Amino acid sequence: DSGVTQTPKHLITATGQRVTLRCSPRSGDLSVYWYQQSLDQGLQFLIQYYNGEERAKGNILERFSAQQFPDLHSELNLSSLELGDSALYFCASSASSGPLLHTGELFFGEGSRLTVL
Amino acid sequence: DAKTTQPNSMESNEEEPVHLPCNHSTISGTDYIHWYRQLPSQGPEYVIHGLTSNVNNRMASLAIAEDRKSSTLILHRATLRDAAVYYCILRGSSNTGKLIFGQGTTLQVKP
Repeated sequence: DSGVTQTPKHLITATGQRVTLRCSPRSGDLSVYWYQQSLDQGLQFLIQYYNGEERAKGNILERFSAQQFPDLHSELNLSSLELGDSALYFCASSASSGPLLHTGELFFGEGSRLTVL
Repeated sequence: DAKTTQPNSMESNEEEPVHLPCNHSTISGTDYIHWYRQLPSQGPEYVIHGLTSNVNNRMASLAIAEDRKSSTLILHRATLRDAAVYYCILRGSSNTGKLIFGQGTTLQVKP
């Protein structure tokens, strides 16, 4: 158990719909990362938040958005869903900050599996 | 962050050592070498990381070439549970903390 909790574990929805994925980081971890894993694209970095602020952006579509709340949990919002958005979405957290950001360990949740029909 | 190159797949027999190579010829002086693995149906998990010297922990050893252009993850006695995708990742000092995953090496362990 990594200590990172993601809900829901599974989600089935239809094209055009909107869903919200939730992530609770390990207690005290300030950084939250979101990743998408599909069969043909591998693990893709989407976005990172640090203590409520966006820190880095990766291959995140404009239809997707995220935020980190004052209690440090994070939500990833996916809208106007397409078939190609079907994937596993992972959240990770890290305690590292400042000069240790690039050395610290990331802890990953078990993922939310999204199926768009 | 500099790019890494790993073999797509490797096979090993149970209880034998496994050496997983990674090439990173464009590594810079401040890049740390990280290894993560992803077991089937699970999120990635940290294995080990290092900068210049060889590193050991309870999971594995990391051997870093003297010129740092390659490294090898060593699993001393492979078990069936070690069957996973292994990712070699470089993180530089300008990195915000994120991990950029490549294709990794799929390790198959035979009983």
